[in-house]
Amino acid sequence: KQEVTQIPAALSVPEGENLVLNCSFTDSAIYNLQWFRQDPGKGLTSLLLIQSSQREQTSGRLNASLDKSSGRSTLYIAASQPGDSATYLCAVSLWQLTFGSGTQLTVLP
Amino acid sequence: DTGVSQDPRHKITKRGQNVTFRCDPISEHNRLYWYRQTLGQGPEFLTYFQNEAQLEKSRLLSDRFSAERPKGSFSTLEIQRTEQGDSAMYLCASTRRRTEDNYGYTFGSGTRLTVV
Repeated sequence: KQEVTQIPAALSVPEGENLVLNCSFTDSAIYNLQWFRQDPGKGLTSLLLIQSSQREQTSGRLNASLDKSSGRSTLYIAASQPGDSATYLCAVSLWQLTFGSGTQLTVLP
Repeated sequence: DTGVSQDPRHKITKRGQNVTFRCDPISEHNRLYWYRQTLGQGPEFLTYFQNEAQLEKSRLLSDRFSAERPKGSFSTLEIQRTEQGDSAMYLCASTRRRTEDNYGYTFGSGTRLTVV
C-alpha cells in the first residue's frame, strides 16, 4: 500500500526566505507526482506535475524535483511571500492519487 | 475549460438525514474521482468512475454511501443516515485516462458537510 509522508508538518518563515518542503513515498511504481496548494476551507489548486520520467519541473518561483528510485520529492519556493501562506500537499499517482498530510506554511511579513 | 464544479459549497444537516452532492467534471475528462478530507489530513480516496462505470471503491465507502455517474457526465455522491463522523470536505477531481501520465488531476472547490 502506497504511503506518502510530508515533512515538516508546519513551517513558519519570514518573508523573502527560500524554503524547501519534503515529500517521500514508499512505492516507486507511480505515473507522476503532483504538488497542490490548499487555502483554508478551499479546494486544491495544482502547482506542478512531474511525470515519472522527469527529474524536475519549474513554474515561476516554484521548482519541484522527483527522485523516483529513492521515493522522494522536494518543492522549492524562492523568495517567499505572505501570499504563499497555505497548506502544500504532495500526491503520487498510479490509478488514483495518494496524498500526504501536507505542510502548513506561514510566511510572516 | 471551465474547471470542475461542485454543488453545494456548504451543507449542514441533522444526524440521520440523507444528503446528495453533485460534481460536474471538465467535459473532456473521462475519469472522475471522489475524495474525503478531514481537518489536518490529506484527501482520502473514496471511489472513481471511468465514463459511467464505477471501477473502484475504498473500504471507507460504507454501505451508507453511494455514487453514480449517469451517462458518464456529472456525478452524485449520496450519504444516507448521516453520522457526525461524516463531517468532512468532499472533493471531486477529474482527469483523462489514456494520457494520465501526462495530465494531472483537476479538483473542484469541494463541498463542506457538517452533521449536527
